[in-house]
Amino acid sequence: GAVVSQHPSWVICKSGTSVKIECRSLDFQATTMFWYRQFPKQSLMLMATSNEGSKATYEQGVEKDKFLINHASLTLSTLTVTSAHPEDSSFYICSAGAGGIDTEAFFGQGTRLTVV
Amino acid sequence: AQSVTQLDSHVSVSEGTPVLLRCNYSSSYSPSLFWYVQHPNKGLQLLLKYTSAATLVKGINGFEAEFKKSETSFHLTKPSAHMSDAAEYFCVVSDLGGGKLIFGQGTELSVKP
Repeated sequence: GAVVSQHPSWVICKSGTSVKIECRSLDFQATTMFWYRQFPKQSLMLMATSNEGSKATYEQGVEKDKFLINHASLTLSTLTVTSAHPEDSSFYICSAGAGGIDTEAFFGQGTRLTVV
Repeated sequence: AQSVTQLDSHVSVSEGTPVLLRCNYSSSYSPSLFWYVQHPNKGLQLLLKYTSAATLVKGINGFEAEFKKSETSFHLTKPSAHMSDAAEYFCVVSDLGGGKLIFGQGTELSVKP
């Protein structure tokens, strides 16, 4: 299957700083990528849909100014957590699909963010 | 709107015994359904998917699932559990647009020696 690489796999940052997470499709082009958030022992919640060359679409309740998404190329989407706070600590996962109604999503390895 | 409900938050089985993880879905059209597995602090791995072909779907690692429209179910089974099967399992439905996934709450599978 296709490979999606996410970096970093874990990061610790201080409150008030910003953190950027990268999601790359290594062997295919992805016009659309998805960002999920997962709290401990909970399911994945879709945060936003990242569209190459246009603005991201955010799910209800997700602050677009806090979670900046950039999808500048067909193989790279970035999520920047701005002015991070401890409550932003979570596991963030990206995915990219091959497209189509019955698409299979390929997931990155996830990023464990800890804000201290 | 689509949704999935995983009926058990935690399932515990003994090694070598069958596994049953239950999932019910709600969809206004013929859905695409998936089962993913997640090991601690890892990404997700696709076990199997249903896309309106055969109703009995075989996946990796001996898992399979049966799509039952009349029961709106897509339960995951395995004849004999292995210790390495201990993980979190997610039942997932895909929306019409493709790529956007809706996750169930997850079922934690424990396997006892």
